[in-house]
Amino acid sequence: ETGVTQSPTHLIKTRGQQVTLRCSSQSGHNTVSWYQQALGQGPQFIFQYYREEENGRGNFPPRFSGLQFPNYSSELNVNALELDDSALYLCASSSQTSGGNEQFFGPGTRLTVL
Amino acid sequence: AQTVTQSQPEMSVQEAETVTLSCTYDTSESDYYLFWYKQPPSRQMILVIRQEAYKQQNATENRFSVNFQKAAKSFSLKISDSQLGDAAMYFCAYYRWYTGNQFYFGTGTSLTVIP
Repeated sequence: ETGVTQSPTHLIKTRGQQVTLRCSSQSGHNTVSWYQQALGQGPQFIFQYYREEENGRGNFPPRFSGLQFPNYSSELNVNALELDDSALYLCASSSQTSGGNEQFFGPGTRLTVL
Repeated sequence: AQTVTQSQPEMSVQEAETVTLSCTYDTSESDYYLFWYKQPPSRQMILVIRQEAYKQQNATENRFSVNFQKAAKSFSLKISDSQLGDAAMYFCAYYRWYTGNQFYFGTGTSLTVIP
């Protein structure tokens, strides 16, 4: 069974740029959730994708957008980067067929915005 | 929005001893799930234990157990026979399935295990 993977591991961008983060879900999982974890904080829910559609969204502006592909992998896109976007971005996969109540996390992508 | 509160930013325990991490949450719902996740310095979040709110029996997983007090909205984690590998950030999380479902996390407790 393959776990959740994310790429890249680290990324450095400058303010105003755009970034794309990638996530491959665990085998058998059809749902992907994205979280932002600022230093010293708990993860904050950005959005969730199920069947290639957004299935819930946290309190993040529209410049945070995403995609889910037929193989259930997902992308998180952030436009017009701001300094406060510097954080660890976590992807978690789950299966809606099992109630979606157990999420398996990837190792994260550390984004630094200069 | 749901809130999850972890009032202990840092805790320490002697190896082989027992430690309890606290968590409280706010909800008006009766059916939900509570979790404890562990995040070691390597960053990957690992599920430690899960509790379903409709179950009165406290969940246990080997050395890890919870004290779930539904009326008090309290969900503490007890780690028995602490090991060096238990050192990590521990996050309490709340989840309830509904359209737009999401996990709500607390701010975490950093656990140090002293040899």
